[in-house]
Amino acid sequence: GEDVEQSLFLSVREGDSSVINCTYTDSSSTYLYWYKQEPGAGLQLLTYIFSNMDMKQDQRLTVLLNKKDKHLSLRIADTQTGDSAIYFCAERLKTSYDKVIFGPGTSLSVIP
Amino acid sequence: NAGVTQTPKFRVLKTGQSMTLLCAQDMNHEYMYWYRQDPGMGLRLIHYSVGEGTTAKGEVPDGYNVSRLKKQNFLLGLESAAPSQTSVYFCASVPGGSPINEQFFGPGTRLTVL
Repeated sequence: GEDVEQSLFLSVREGDSSVINCTYTDSSSTYLYWYKQEPGAGLQLLTYIFSNMDMKQDQRLTVLLNKKDKHLSLRIADTQTGDSAIYFCAERLKTSYDKVIFGPGTSLSVIP
Repeated sequence: NAGVTQTPKFRVLKTGQSMTLLCAQDMNHEYMYWYRQDPGMGLRLIHYSVGEGTTAKGEVPDGYNVSRLKKQNFLLGLESAAPSQTSVYFCASVPGGSPINEQFFGPGTRLTVL
């Protein structure tokens, strides 16, 4: 079946690196995404990776994809208090309507 | 551009009442989606639309209906609200033919059914 799993909470100190992990089950994923949700707001695309890549770097963000283990991670370097939010892992499947499956979200708390 | 807007932002209903949530986008996007967000469960797709005049069921469509009479608007209706429909509802839109399929989300509607 289709399922995306993430741990629900992560707490880090300001200035440290944060690593948010995600596992997914469907091997037909085309794109994998990280969305960020700030309090009281909708989700916003943070970054994405195509399924034939294993790494993508974008400023403080590094995405690692291990297709064999169906594992995706998001590393945030030099984590700031403004990074406190909920981070959703999501996978896009090959279906008739671009189906996207979202994980439950990881709530990141940054301690000053 | 306002992006994706949702009306209302908050609503409290009694069991059995009906209401309509409105989603509007001004980006000329083809695809639109309605999700519900519940604690620890991520987003679950209720209904979606791949173009004006078309709608289809998602994962959790029971108790909801939708309409997309105009390309820019996607309406979600609850005919007889139940406490299990207490949730935060998000609308999203996607440009047609987008290789990345970035979903643009509205700010959400927080619905409580008593």
